[in-house]
Amino acid sequence: QKEVEQNSGPLSVPEGAIASLNCTYSDRGSQSFFWYRQYSGKSPELIMSIYSNGDKEDGRFTAQLNKASQYVSLLIRDSQPSDSATYLCAVNMRTSYDKVIFGPGTSLSVIP
Amino acid sequence: GAVVSQHPSWVICKSGTSVKIECRSLDFQATTMFWYRQFPKQSLMLMATSNEGSKATYEQGVEKDKFLINHASLTLSTLTVTSAHPEDSSFYICSARDRRRQGAFFGPGTRLTVL
Repeated sequence: QKEVEQNSGPLSVPEGAIASLNCTYSDRGSQSFFWYRQYSGKSPELIMSIYSNGDKEDGRFTAQLNKASQYVSLLIRDSQPSDSATYLCAVNMRTSYDKVIFGPGTSLSVIP
Repeated sequence: GAVVSQHPSWVICKSGTSVKIECRSLDFQATTMFWYRQFPKQSLMLMATSNEGSKATYEQGVEKDKFLINHASLTLSTLTVTSAHPEDSSFYICSARDRRRQGAFFGPGTRLTVL
């Protein structure tokens, strides 16, 4: 089992709709989870971090964490064409050293 | 805040040469820096984790003698690709974080092309 898994997509949603991105992870002891957005040819940009079970909202973004299910998701409300990018889930794994592992990413396309 | 720079942005070199990439945290002290490699249309692959003043921890399959990492200060880490070959051509990205931040912030990346 891979350490961090995501649906690769592409995920297409119409402008104004809600985009839902999912991520599962294998290390039950992980405590910190992040969502990054990456545009083609650019480096990733941190958009959300979450550490506790439940929801965390920041503008149009909501991150959801369920540690029992080892599942983290990102909802994007009122999707805009500028949200079209690859979304990467990252997990700070609990090992003998600091280690942040990324999932394969989900490609999102918002159709005008 | 949380600005990370990388230099150079891109480099083209001949096979067999060594290339050094610098990663700097400009407005915070980076106790931990990560080096990733990303091939086209693939995700980021963690190469190594380095803490200031100590040796880097390399991921399985990453040759530490080929990819030399030095985290000499709280604001600077370097990755040297020694005796580069065409298969080393990739996008190399560093990220950095300090004690207070949970997320790691990325540099703009360095695109390496080995001819």
